Amino acid sequence: NAGVTQTPKFQVLKTGQSMTLQCAQDMNHNSMYWYRQDPGMGLRLIYYSASEGTTDKGEVPNGYNVSRLNKREFSLRLESAAPSQTSVYFCASSEWLGPEYQETQYFGPGTRLLVL
Amino acid sequence: SQQGEEDPQALSIQEGENATMNCSYKTSINNLQWYRQNSGRGLVHLILIRSNEREKHSGRLRVTLDTSKKSSSLLITASRAADTASYFCATVLGMDSSYKLIFGSGTRLLVRP
Repeated sequence: NAGVTQTPKFQVLKTGQSMTLQCAQDMNHNSMYWYRQDPGMGLRLIYYSASEGTTDKGEVPNGYNVSRLNKREFSLRLESAAPSQTSVYFCASSEWLGPEYQETQYFGPGTRLLVL
Repeated sequence: SQQGEEDPQALSIQEGENATMNCSYKTSINNLQWYRQNSGRGLVHLILIRSNEREKHSGRLRVTLDTSKKSSSLLITASRAADTASYFCATVLGMDSSYKLIFGSGTRLLVRP
């Protein structure tokens, strides 16, 4: 049981290049999330997917797109990378069991992205 | 922003001492969660306290919640060097499957051996 996995672990891009960050979970969770974490700061939600087939914007969605490929996989795409997108990106998943049983989120190890 | 804010931003203590971190938030919440992040790693859930609870314990962790003051505290007793990490509070918004976590900026804890 690997939990939440992310690829790649580290990536360097030039301004204007595109790339896709991959995330997969093997816990059969319905909900998946993408966050970014900048130095000395907490996590900010980029996009999330409450269930397969749905995606919604979070706090900082500009410059990103997402795809919920199936229940296991949720990818984040940078179409034209900018230096401001240099950050560490975390994927997370959780299970919804009802309003009285809000579950915690399980996080992947992160992808460190440097945009030059 | 509806983000929680932790206080202090950084804390340095001696092994064996207690560490207390505080979190304040702005809006009504369903529950509040504390997470830990070791350097260069993902976040790991520590403890969840619901809005109708005032105090909760888990091992060496004690969490309190004061909804009237919109604040929470995390106490780590008898700290160990291995407790060195960043600690984040997260407030939960939403009452359905699209619920979201809003994270604070964290407290960086250093436990000196």
